[in-house]
Amino acid sequence: DIQMTQSPSTLSASVGDRVTITCRASQNINSWLAWYQQKPGQAPKLLIYKASTLQSGVPSRFSGSGSGTEFTLTISCLQPDDFATYYCQQYSSYSVSWTFGQGTKVEI
Amino acid sequence: EVHLVESGGGLVQPGGSLRLSCAASTFTFNNYWMSWVRQAPGKGLEWVAHIKGDGSETHYADSVKGRFTISRDNADNSLFLQMKYLGVDDTAVYYCARTVGPTPFDYWGQGTLVTVSS
Repeated sequence: DIQMTQSPSTLSASVGDRVTITCRASQNINSWLAWYQQKPGQAPKLLIYKASTLQSGVPSRFSGSGSGTEFTLTISCLQPDDFATYYCQQYSSYSVSWTFGQGTKVEI
Repeated sequence: EVHLVESGGGLVQPGGSLRLSCAASTFTFNNYWMSWVRQAPGKGLEWVAHIKGDGSETHYADSVKGRFTISRDNADNSLFLQMKYLGVDDTAVYYCARTVGPTPFDYWGQGTLVTVSS
C-alpha cells in the first residue's frame, strides 16, 4: 500500500497566519492527491483535488501544490472557521488501496 | 442537493455481522464509484472499499478483505456494506461517499456508528 505521511500532526496558529501542511507519499502518485477538512462531529469536506484544483465553493485562501511524492496545503490567511483537522489522501488508481494521511489538527 | 444517508449501524458482539446501507438521491447514481470510509473514535480516516458504477469492480482495504462485501442496487440508488466476523477494531463511524472522474469524495453521508463490543 502507498503510505501517506503528514506533518505536522498538530499546528498552533492565530487568525491571519499563513499555514502550510505537508504530505508525503511513499511512492509516486503523480497528482492524485486530495485534501479534506474535518470538524468535530462532521463528515470530512473536500477542499482540493488533483493536488491543486480547488473544489467548488471552497474559499480561495486554500491552495494546494506538489506532484509525485511531495505535496502541500496552504491556507493564506487563517480564519476562525479554519480551525479543524486536515487530511491528505492519495487516489492513484482504483485498483489499489486509497490511503489517508494521519491528519493535522490546526488549533489556536 | 446531493444526499447520502447511511443506516444500519449499531451495537454488535465480536464475531457478529452487520449490514450497512447508504441511500443516494438527486444524482445519477450509476455514474459514480461509491466508497465506504470509516473513522474509529478519536482516530483518522480509513478507506474501506469501493465499487464501480455498474457494480462490475470492487476493491477492499487489506484490513477488511475477506470479511466485508460492498455491493450496490442501482435500481434503488443504494449502496451496501455487508460486514462479517466483526472485531473491536471495526468500531467506527462508517461513511459512504461518491467519486467521479478526478474528484474523489465530493459528497459524504452523515455517517453511521458501528460499535463492536461484548
